[in-house]
Amino acid sequence: KQEVTQIPAALSVPEGENLVLNCSFTDSAIYNLQWFRQDPGKGLTSLLLIQSSQREQTSGRLNASLDKSSGRSTLYIAASQPGDSATYLCAANINTGNQFYFGTGTSLTVIP
Amino acid sequence: NAGVTQTPKFQVLKTGQSMTLQCAQDMNHNSMYWYRQDPGMGLRLIYYSASEGTTDKGEVPNGYNVSRLNKREFSLRLESAAPSQTSVYFCASSWAGSTDTQYFGPGTRLTVL
Repeated sequence: KQEVTQIPAALSVPEGENLVLNCSFTDSAIYNLQWFRQDPGKGLTSLLLIQSSQREQTSGRLNASLDKSSGRSTLYIAASQPGDSATYLCAANINTGNQFYFGTGTSLTVIP
Repeated sequence: NAGVTQTPKFQVLKTGQSMTLQCAQDMNHNSMYWYRQDPGMGLRLIYYSASEGTTDKGEVPNGYNVSRLNKREFSLRLESAAPSQTSVYFCASSWAGSTDTQYFGPGTRLTVL
């Protein structure tokens, strides 16, 4: 079974700071990895999907990288804003099944 | 486009009662999923339907059944609810299975007393 870990569980930063969220997975036979954002009491919103053949994906102020050999993905948020405050989850999909394995998330607070 | 919709938003059941959670998507997606989210556990897959007419078990299928009614709708049934099924349930859909972006509904918060 794929184990997905996100550290830290919570992070607080001042507005304007650049930050990195971490995601690690145990099975390097990964098909793709997806980053989501979840606001309190809401569903998940997809941010970026990185296929195994890709090293990174970018969308606006967000950049996600994937390193299969080390079992790591990072989500870089540039110039953070209070509206970025949310829980960020990563989910890894391995080749053998039609299933994503989710981390428990990092709760981000951006302080104005 | 409404995206992925779920009903109901909240539900309280007594142990042993049954209920069906409804999910519908209007994006013409082929694949649909049911997850549960518990504190400290992350999201876990209950069942999925890779395409209309097929369903498969996920990580935690015990105590649940599903029906892929048509391409749009995928329901989750609890036949005899237990307190361990207290959770937030999310439905999701994607165009081409797990190779593709998943879109989530707003969730159903279920409490079993």
